[in-house]
Amino acid sequence: NAGVTQTPKFQVLKTGQSMTLQCAQDMNHNSMYWYRQDPGMGLRLIYYSASEGTTDKGEVPNGYNVSRLNKREFSLRLESAAPSQSSVYFCASSESTGGTPLHFGNGTRLTVT
Amino acid sequence: SQQGEEDPQALSIQEGENATMNCSYKTSINNLQWYRQNSGRGLVHLILIRSNEREKHSGRLRVTLDTSKKSSSLLITASRAADTASYFCATDAYYGQNFVFGPGTRLSVLP
Repeated sequence: NAGVTQTPKFQVLKTGQSMTLQCAQDMNHNSMYWYRQDPGMGLRLIYYSASEGTTDKGEVPNGYNVSRLNKREFSLRLESAAPSQSSVYFCASSESTGGTPLHFGNGTRLTVT
Repeated sequence: SQQGEEDPQALSIQEGENATMNCSYKTSINNLQWYRQNSGRGLVHLILIRSNEREKHSGRLRVTLDTSKKSSSLLITASRAADTASYFCATDAYYGQNFVFGPGTRLSVLP
């Protein structure tokens, strides 16, 4: 039982390059999320998808786009990477957005030079 | 903006001792959750406590919630070296129903 799988685990980009972070869950969860984690800041929500076919902005959406490809998959795209986007990115899923536990992937460490 | 704030930022104890971490938040909530994060890994859910509950237990974990003080505590009893991790509280945001995380408490349990 894989849970939430994120790829890649590490990525180095140059400023201005683009990339897509992939996330898939096998728990038949309705809701999926993208967070970034920076030292001393906790986790901040970038975008979420309450259910298949919907996406909404979180606390820090600027510079990112998302796609809920199907119920299992939720991708995060950086169109033009900036050094400020260097962070650890976590994908998570839950049964719903209404107070159910989040299940996290193991993260993608992104460095933008 | 952070809804929850853990205290202390870092805690170091000996194996066998109890560890207590606190979380304060700013606005009314429906639910509060505690998560653990081992180094280099994703967060793992520990306990969810609802606003109408005052205390919950799970194994060596005890969580309390005081809505009048807008605070929660996580107690780990008889700590083990394997409990070394960062611990986060997460509360409902005022908008939507997504959880907002605090910066965490880094717990070190020394053998």
